[in-house]
Amino acid sequence: DAKTTQPPSMDCAEGRAANLPCNHSTISGNEYVYWYRQIHSQGPQYIIHGLKNNETNEMASLIITEDRKSSTLILPHATLRDTAVYYCIVKFDGSGYSTLTFGKGTMLLVSP
Amino acid sequence: AAGVIQSPRHLIKEKRETATLKCYPIPRHDTVYWYQQGPGQDPQFLISFYEKMQSDKGSIPDRFSAQQFSDYHSELNMSSLELGDSALYFCASSLGASNQPQHFGDGTRLSIL
Repeated sequence: DAKTTQPPSMDCAEGRAANLPCNHSTISGNEYVYWYRQIHSQGPQYIIHGLKNNETNEMASLIITEDRKSSTLILPHATLRDTAVYYCIVKFDGSGYSTLTFGKGTMLLVSP
Repeated sequence: AAGVIQSPRHLIKEKRETATLKCYPIPRHDTVYWYQQGPGQDPQFLISFYEKMQSDKGSIPDRFSAQQFSDYHSELNMSSLELGDSALYFCASSLGASNQPQHFGDGTRLSIL
């Protein structure tokens, strides 16, 4: 699986949009970009994933550049409960049992 | 919606003892994954099962074994426990079809004294 690079930490004011970047310059054509987050010692929580088109769900939006070498996770209105470590993971999905390789992630701190 | 259930939530053992962790996947999910997260570390993949067969293997010690049963629940068996096995152990499940995200349980916190 391709490696990802994320900033170690970011700050965001409550109510503002949080934009979390991720570089995955070695991504291959059949690899998906997944985002998970982990709120202190809880199980990682799935947020969103995409292949090449932008995606949106009730939690967030995922913007993938046209060359697919980077992406941005957007939390439109961050709340204090969004404080967590956010993991960007590139995963091969050619089978039903491909695993997740967690990197260092970004610690997002949302402040009042 | 039903989530992944792990038991026990907390477990305290002494060195050289054995432990068994259990995972009950989301209904209809046929794939189970085990991850280990040491203090201050990121989750590391241990092993996975698809339709009761081992599908992938990560950095799982030889002292550990796992299996998936006919009802798709899974158990992680750990023997000759060491201090370094103290960690959070997460189970995740997914549908075998590709492009399906894994959903995680709340984990078992294992402490070795």
